[in-house]
Amino acid sequence: DAGVIQSPRHEVTEMGQEVTLRCKPISGHDYLFWYRQTMMRGLELLIYFNNNVPIDDSGMPEDRFSAKMPNASFSTLKIQPSEPRDSAVYFCASSPWTGRANYGYTFGSGTRLTVV
Amino acid sequence: SQELEQSPQSLIVQEGKNLTINCTSSKTLYGLYWYKQKYGEGLIFLMMLQKGGEEKSHEKITAKLDEKKQQSSLHITASQPSHAGIYLCGADMASGGSYIPTFGRGTSLIVHP
Repeated sequence: DAGVIQSPRHEVTEMGQEVTLRCKPISGHDYLFWYRQTMMRGLELLIYFNNNVPIDDSGMPEDRFSAKMPNASFSTLKIQPSEPRDSAVYFCASSPWTGRANYGYTFGSGTRLTVV
Repeated sequence: SQELEQSPQSLIVQEGKNLTINCTSSKTLYGLYWYKQKYGEGLIFLMMLQKGGEEKSHEKITAKLDEKKQQSSLHITASQPSHAGIYLCGADMASGGSYIPTFGRGTSLIVHP
């Protein structure tokens, strides 16, 4: 398996523009997580899905953020409109289950977002 | 406040030296993960500890779990430049009937040759 695939790797956009980040989880993994990593706050969970259904989106910072998972092999995280404070590295991770997952959670390489 | 506190925040050591990174949880631990992140890359799973007193090793990296103290330590023996990166501890925190994977802020390790 190619692992969790995220695109793009880098995104530079102007304030006010819409940004869409993409993730392809590992086949057979029922759980998908979106994280944001910054120096100040570390790795924060934004939202997670189980079997394509959003379970907990309490980490989504504002209404400007939205996430979808239309099928088991694809998820998007959208920011509209983007702001400079959204600049961070966004990670997607997947797992067959949660709670004492023996092999941990598999992370993608991340998308480095810069909003100017 | 962080549910998982790591210390130190950063570490600079000379190649060949031993070092320890600590992770303390504010909640009951149901298992704890250690990950390594190379600068600018994703997180790589190192190991998971499930039971109190459990100790696991991955090459020259050893991690232990003290469930009573809600702590884990990660020890690197004879550090090498390849060990450089950010080490993060993570745990499944109970939340509303589910387990949410939560992470510490990480410890940045630099190893000078």
